[in-house]
Amino acid sequence: QSALTQPPSASGSPGQSVTIFCTGTSSDIGGYNYVSWYQQHPGKAPKLIMYEVTQRPSGVPDRFSGSKSGNTASLTVSGLQAEDEAYYYCNSYGGRNNVIFGGGTKLTVL
Amino acid sequence: EVQLLESGGGLVQPGGSLRLSCVASGFTFSGYAVNWVRQAPGKGLEWVSGITGSGAGTFYADSLKGRLTISRDNSKNTLYLQMNSLRAEDTAIYYCAKEIRSTSKGSFDIWGQGTKVTVSS
Repeated sequence: QSALTQPPSASGSPGQSVTIFCTGTSSDIGGYNYVSWYQQHPGKAPKLIMYEVTQRPSGVPDRFSGSKSGNTASLTVSGLQAEDEAYYYCNSYGGRNNVIFGGGTKLTVL
Repeated sequence: EVQLLESGGGLVQPGGSLRLSCVASGFTFSGYAVNWVRQAPGKGLEWVSGITGSGAGTFYADSLKGRLTISRDNSKNTLYLQMNSLRAEDTAIYYCAKEIRSTSKGSFDIWGQGTKVTVSS
């Protein structure tokens, strides 16, 4: 199965909102409510910030929100802060016990 | 503290083998599926393999099937990944990662710090 599609970059100014999209197919994103989002700072392990499309793990600020429409999932970061600058990866269950990641989006806080 | 700690990475020649380990602490290891995810230098994340809490179910990325064996020893709170016939393109940081709950898929809430595998002659 092919990787999910993410834009390579996104940006916003402090306090603004930015949305990152993740596009798949009916065999992955469109077929299951198992979409997760990860934040990764350089040299660090990824951190789960959203799972099962809309669920925030404990400790993740409510500035982060997730949604899905058809074969596309999205992560919205509201009230951008400097520490939000990082790479963001989506993943989805792809059926047959496979997990597929997106290529990643570098979020820059201007 | 809930923690995963990988080891076993290193430099290996093409065609060689390596066994990675991941020791868990701070949670009931047998109650959760765990997975391996890798990241090649400067690249994105790639799911490699997963195993159910009991160890009865094992799953592999299609591109890697046949060269990997995932296993776990719940008495030792340890996850393993045996990698054979290694290629240059297997060079990456290998992370172990825990599913957030038993009914979820691909939702990895705890990650290790990673172990670096370099395949080169």
